[in-house]
Amino acid sequence: NAGVTQTPKFQVLKTGQSMTLQCAQDMNHNSMYWYRQDPGMGLRLIYYSASEGTTDKGEVPNGYNVSRLNKREFSLRLESAAPSQTSVYFCASSEASGGPDTQYFGPGTRLTVL
Amino acid sequence: GQSLEQPSEVTAVEGAIVQINCTYQTSGFYGLSWYQQHDGGAPTFLSYNALDGLEETGRFSSFLSRSDSYGYLLLQELQMKDSASYFCAVREGGKLIFGQGTELSVKP
Repeated sequence: NAGVTQTPKFQVLKTGQSMTLQCAQDMNHNSMYWYRQDPGMGLRLIYYSASEGTTDKGEVPNGYNVSRLNKREFSLRLESAAPSQTSVYFCASSEASGGPDTQYFGPGTRLTVL
Repeated sequence: GQSLEQPSEVTAVEGAIVQINCTYQTSGFYGLSWYQQHDGGAPTFLSYNALDGLEETGRFSSFLSRSDSYGYLLLQELQMKDSASYFCAVREGGKLIFGQGTELSVKP
């Protein structure tokens, strides 16, 4: 099992460009999440999907859109990138069945917006 | 909403014991989790406490006091590889809220 995979690993954009970050999990998890992490900061939730067909805003959704394509895949789109969106983006998934609700993270996408 | 507080950094020597504290404010409590993140890597799950008391997993233990809205992560027999950031997290509905993280530096 690959767990949670993310593409691309690195990306450089110019201000105003758009791009989609891809995430897939092979653990048959119900819930998926997108976080951003800035230097010296914790993980801030952008959007999450509690189950296939649903998405909800997290703490910092402005400037982003998401699509839960199917149970495996959850993509994050930046329509018009801004330098403030320079960050490391992590996708995660969990069973969301109660208890610790352990989240499994992908390796991250390092995005720079010039 | 939820908020969590933890120290921004802690330094300890190899072989020592270190405790990383976390206090939280919640509107509903479902348990306290701990995650580890090495520099440049992805966060990984370490432990979870739903009830008061100590949970032990090898060199790592986690403690919870729900009446004090307080928990800690205890790392024993510190090794250089334990140098990392440690995050506490609480559930809010269908998502986790993370603290800002404690950077642990282990010195020889």
